[in-house]
Amino acid sequence: GAVVSQHPSWVICKSGTSVKIECRSLDFQATTMFWYRQFPKQSLMLMATSNEGSKATYEQGVEKDKFLINHASLTLSTLTVTSAHPEDSSFYICSAPIAGGYNEQFFGPGTRLTVL
Amino acid sequence: GDSVTQMEGPVTLSEEAFLTINCTYTATGYPSLFWYVQYPGEGLQLLLKATKADDKGSNKGFEATYRKETTSFHLEKGSVQVSDSAVYFCALSGSNTGNQFYFGTGTSLTVIP
Repeated sequence: GAVVSQHPSWVICKSGTSVKIECRSLDFQATTMFWYRQFPKQSLMLMATSNEGSKATYEQGVEKDKFLINHASLTLSTLTVTSAHPEDSSFYICSAPIAGGYNEQFFGPGTRLTVL
Repeated sequence: GDSVTQMEGPVTLSEEAFLTINCTYTATGYPSLFWYVQYPGEGLQLLLKATKADDKGSNKGFEATYRKETTSFHLEKGSVQVSDSAVYFCALSGSNTGNQFYFGTGTSLTVIP
């Protein structure tokens, strides 16, 4: 089956620094990828839709200048958390749909971000 | 708008007990329905899916039937194992959602020996 990877799997950073998270589709091309955020013991919250070759679409309430998304190629999307603060600590998950796959999506394993 | 309502947990069962996790949905059009499972510290894994009314998805002993008349997609397993302990998410996606997924709140299941 299709595989989506994320890197890093976990990261700890100091407050005020920026962190980049990569999401790759390993064996298929993805013109669209989705970024989710998951707080402990809660469901996934869609943050933004990443579109290859164009600007990302952000959900209401998500700061686009805080969470920079770049869909550099058909297999790579990156999420950069700029000037991270402790409240940004969370589990970030990306997903990518396969064309014609009945809207099925494949999820990355997630990245645990801890901001000190 | 589209949404998923999922049975709240946590759920604790003894090994070999019967499991039901309720899921109902609200959607325009004809969405596809999914159950995902998340083990501690990991991402989501597709457990099963159904793409049209009356379809039954099944995997690893888990089953769910797409019931359009009751807008439900309840997850069932006849005999749970300790290794089934995880969080289960019901989700929907469809042509009207632009491939976006709408998730339920998740149900934590703990199976004790």
